[in-house]
Amino acid sequence: DIQMTQSPSSLSASVGDRVTITCRASQSISSYLNWYQQKPGKAPKLLIYAASSLQSGVPSRFSGSGSGTDFTLTISSLQPEDFATYYCQQSYSTPQITFGQGTRLEIK
Amino acid sequence: EVQLVESGGGVVRPGGSLRLSCAASGFTFDDYGMSWVRQAPGKGLEWVSGINWNGGSTGYADSVKGRFTISRDNAKNSLYLQMNSLRAEDTALYHCARIPTKKGGYSSGWFFDPWGQGTLVTVSS
Repeated sequence: DIQMTQSPSSLSASVGDRVTITCRASQSISSYLNWYQQKPGKAPKLLIYAASSLQSGVPSRFSGSGSGTDFTLTISSLQPEDFATYYCQQSYSTPQITFGQGTRLEIK
Repeated sequence: EVQLVESGGGVVRPGGSLRLSCAASGFTFDDYGMSWVRQAPGKGLEWVSGINWNGGSTGYADSVKGRFTISRDNAKNSLYLQMNSLRAEDTALYHCARIPTKKGGYSSGWFFDPWGQGTLVTVSS
């Protein structure tokens, strides 16, 4: 199975900060990497698919990059509504899907 | 508006069975694959199972293989998850989610959008 490891596990930042979350795969997954945002008590929401494609309706301050084993999610200027937990997910080994453990983004 | 509404959760004893349903609306159901993803209380996301547009291709996490069965009824715009031999570690909020690639084929890779709000399954004696 492909393991996905996110870092950091938690992060404190301020409104207006630039934030980067990293996701590493245990083997190459090409660009089969997706990112989700989850707010407390809510269902996850797709932000980025295929490593760098922005899902329709998602603000352009969110961006994704990477290929192979190393990927990043960047929020260019944090907004109050961005404080949430973020998950990466590999789809390379479909139908065996794995998620990262999550990164909790908190207000400093 | 795309909507996914799960039902069928509840409290069940270890070894018991439960059938979850997901009612879909706002899109052409048989154009898409579908999936189940769960989240144990206070924990992260765990993919459970997925199915392509016509049920001809399915997949299961190792943790549920042989115990859970995914199915769909395109005439009823519904997705199902039959869960047998339930264990305490199956306790979670179960979300259904649409696979937004053509017919849910493997080659595009499965990812999930949108998600339903979930139905809670508690396995406890």
